[in-house]
Amino acid sequence: DVVMTQTPPSLSVAIGQSVSISCKSSQSLVYSDGKTYLHWLLQSPGRSPKRLIYQVSNLGSGVPDRFSGTGSQKDFTLKISRVEAEDLGVYYCAQTTHFPPTFGSGTKLEIK
Amino acid sequence: QVKLQQSGAELVKPGASVKLSCKTSGYTFSTSYMSWFKQIPGQSIEWIGMIYAGDGGTGYNQKFKGKATLTVDTSSSTAYMDLSSLTTEDSAVYFCARYYGGPWDFDYWGQGVMVTVSS
Repeated sequence: DVVMTQTPPSLSVAIGQSVSISCKSSQSLVYSDGKTYLHWLLQSPGRSPKRLIYQVSNLGSGVPDRFSGTGSQKDFTLKISRVEAEDLGVYYCAQTTHFPPTFGSGTKLEIK
Repeated sequence: QVKLQQSGAELVKPGASVKLSCKTSGYTFSTSYMSWFKQIPGQSIEWIGMIYAGDGGTGYNQKFKGKATLTVDTSSSTAYMDLSSLTTEDSAVYFCARYYGGPWDFDYWGQGVMVTVSS
């Protein structure tokens, strides 16, 4: 299975700061169709995961443009500009290029 | 709007089975994929498997073969997951999520259901 490694495991940031979360995969996530099926999700406390970004850089419906995703091959980054209180929770990267789909271990974002 | 409503929390005895449901609305269920996940509180998310509602075709994570069985009822737009021969290691929150073709990601999630296996 593809191993997804997220860093850091946790972050503590003040409102208005920017943060970046890294996600590295054990194999290239470029599929035979040329597309990269790397996604980001947020699980707020006590809630189910919510789609943030799909295919590296595409914002999910209703997701504010403070969120952005970049990367290629095996190295990906989620950036949150101007963190707000509602952004707290655990961020996961996930890949659906290879079977079975796999998730990173998560990055817990706390607000100072 | 798209909604996935899961059944309520379960307390089951070791060795027993449990059937979880995920009732959908707001989209065409019969031509969609549904995935199921396991999350032990405080841990990451594991993909269990998926089912195509159009023909009932399934794909499973090798780790969950023999443990989970996925089915659908297109007349009620509901997906089901049977978990068998439960042990304490099966105690977890289980989620369903639509597996959306095109982006091939999980765009809408159920609220999750806690399954506790205890004697």
